[in-house]
Amino acid sequence: DIQMTQSPSTLSASVGDRVTITCRASESISFYLAWYQQKAGKAPSLLIYKTSNLKSGVPSRFSGRGSGTEFTLTISSLQPDDFATYYCQQYNSYFVTFGGGTKVEIK
Amino acid sequence: QITLKESGPTMVKPTQTLPLTCTFSGFSLSTTGVGVGWLRQPPGKALEWLALIYWDDDKRYNPSLKSRLTIAKDSSKNEVVFTMTNMDPVDTATYYCVYIISGRLFDSWGQGTLVTVSS
Repeated sequence: DIQMTQSPSTLSASVGDRVTITCRASESISFYLAWYQQKAGKAPSLLIYKTSNLKSGVPSRFSGRGSGTEFTLTISSLQPDDFATYYCQQYNSYFVTFGGGTKVEIK
Repeated sequence: QITLKESGPTMVKPTQTLPLTCTFSGFSLSTTGVGVGWLRQPPGKALEWLALIYWDDDKRYNPSLKSRLTIAKDSSKNEVVFTMTNMDPVDTATYYCVYIISGRLFDSWGQGTLVTVSS
């Protein structure tokens, strides 16, 4: 199976900060990388698919890039609603796998 | 609007079988390209994909759990049934039902149901 490693596991930031989360795959997954946001006590929701495509309704302050084995999720100006845990997911193979998550906390 | 809701027992004993049902609306599991899947998340831990079923009845399972899992659909009832056998306390988790597009993208999620395994 393809291992997904996210860093950092926790990120402390302030409203207005630019934040970047990294996700690394143990082997190439082409562009088949998605990002999910999970707020406390809620189900995850899809933010970005195929590395850089925002799901309809997702604010443009979110962006994704990368290819192969290294990917990033960037929030250009952190808003109060963005404090949550973020997961990357590879879907290059049928055995989809997730990263361990990055919790974005208020500094 | 797509909605999914998980139902089933909130507690099972070790060695028992967990039956869960996903009841959905807003899409048809007879539509080409569509799928429904199950994932879980132990308290405080990351997400784990378990199983999925597509419109054409193609089924896929997490290889590490495959021997314990079964998934089936009833398109006429808009339901997907999932079972996991031989439950253990480490299987305690919130179980989510998801709507799948583009092969393996989890586009919409149910609210989740917390299942506790305890004697």
